[in-house]
Parts: sequence; structure tokens; C-alpha cells
Amino acid sequence: ETGVTQTPRHLVMGMTNKKSLKCEQHLGHNAMYWYKQSAKKPLELMFVYSLEERVENNSVPSRFSPECPNSSHLFLHLHTLQPEDSALYLCASSQSASGRHQETQYFGPGTRLLVL
Amino acid sequence: DAKTTQPNSMESNEEEPVHLPCNHSTISGTDYIHWYRQLPSQGPEYVIHGLTSNVNNRMASLAIAEDRKSSTLILHRATLRDAAVYYCILRAYYDKIIFGKGTRLHILP
Repeated sequence: ETGVTQTPRHLVMGMTNKKSLKCEQHLGHNAMYWYKQSAKKPLELMFVYSLEERVENNSVPSRFSPECPNSSHLFLHLHTLQPEDSALYLCASSQSASGRHQETQYFGPGTRLLVL
Repeated sequence: DAKTTQPNSMESNEEEPVHLPCNHSTISGTDYIHWYRQLPSQGPEYVIHGLTSNVNNRMASLAIAEDRKSSTLILHRATLRDAAVYYCILRAYYDKIIFGKGTRLHILP
């Protein structure tokens, strides 16, 4: 498989559940990202990992907990979420996290999350 | 962060060229102009980027104004599969990608 993959593609969970989103990149990149896309809002950057170390955390509530065990895998652990957390969660990767202005990010298809 | 302004939506007929405008009047000399698009039910995908000169690739062309305060993404022959939200993004050196609301492009058969 090529590119960036995400599982599951759809997830419905209750507010007391614990679930995890998984992202895998097959591009040999060193940086991985989590974004949130709510209805009618622009994409919001949540977390950035570079070489398995978190380099950015954009004031995301602690009910979202990222994990990057190696440069190819990224998880987003979810617990006690709220209905307003329902959104499309997108994973992306790039060669580095330095943000060099010519660099391209490659996105996965996203996980559509519904919190009831 | 440098800002861009795009129309909320545009329509075009299938098999005709499409010109998607973007204004970025506060662009600085080292900002690159990037375009991404997001097809329905998919994550964004890279389309093209440039600094000063016009750029072409297999997906599109990017025309950059001489003063760099605006740019235009050109799809030479639109197909139904080009219906998407197109994002124009400025990237400063060592800066993250910041997505705006983009332009929703509708293609009419």
C-alpha cells in the first residue's frame, strides 16, 4: 500500500468510550501531523511529530492524546469526548517538520468521527 | 500569518478551462504560494506551488502576478473529477501550512 492510510474510516463512539485512530505512512517521511476538520470550518492543526518527538501541540484538550511509536505510525487516543468533537480527523506526513516553505504534505483520507 | 482571499465558490463547465483566483496582498518576498485541493470525502492533496515565476505540472498551472499580490490556479480542461475545494496557502520560511476556507469548485456536465 502506498501513501498515507488511516483506520478506521468511520467511527461512532459514546462520550464515555475510549477509542484510537491509527495513521500509517509508507513514504519514508520523518514528520507526521494530526488535523481536525469540523463542518464548515478550516482545517485546524492539532499535533506535529518529528522523528517520533512531539514538536507542536496547538492547545488541544487533554481528552486527545497522540502517540508516535516510530516515524511510520501515528495514533490519536480518544477518551471522554464531547459531541462537539465530531469531525473529520486527518493525518498527514512530510519529509521533515521544519516547515521549509517548499515542502509538501501528504494527507490520508481521514477518519469521520461521530460522538454521541 | 500571511493571509489569502479566495471566492467562496465557483462554477465551470466540463472540458473548459478554469481560473481560480487568490489575493495575497500582504505576501512577503520569501513566501511561497501553495495550492492544495480536497476532493469529496478525501484528505487534501497537493496541486502546485511557486515563488515568482509561473509554474506548470501535470495537474495545473500557476500564474503569479508580477507584484506577487495575487495568483491564479489554472485547470486547463476541467473534468467532473476536478470538483473539489481548492486552497491557496502562503508559506513563510519554516512556517506551518495554514488552511483557509478555500474555493468550492463546481463542474457542470
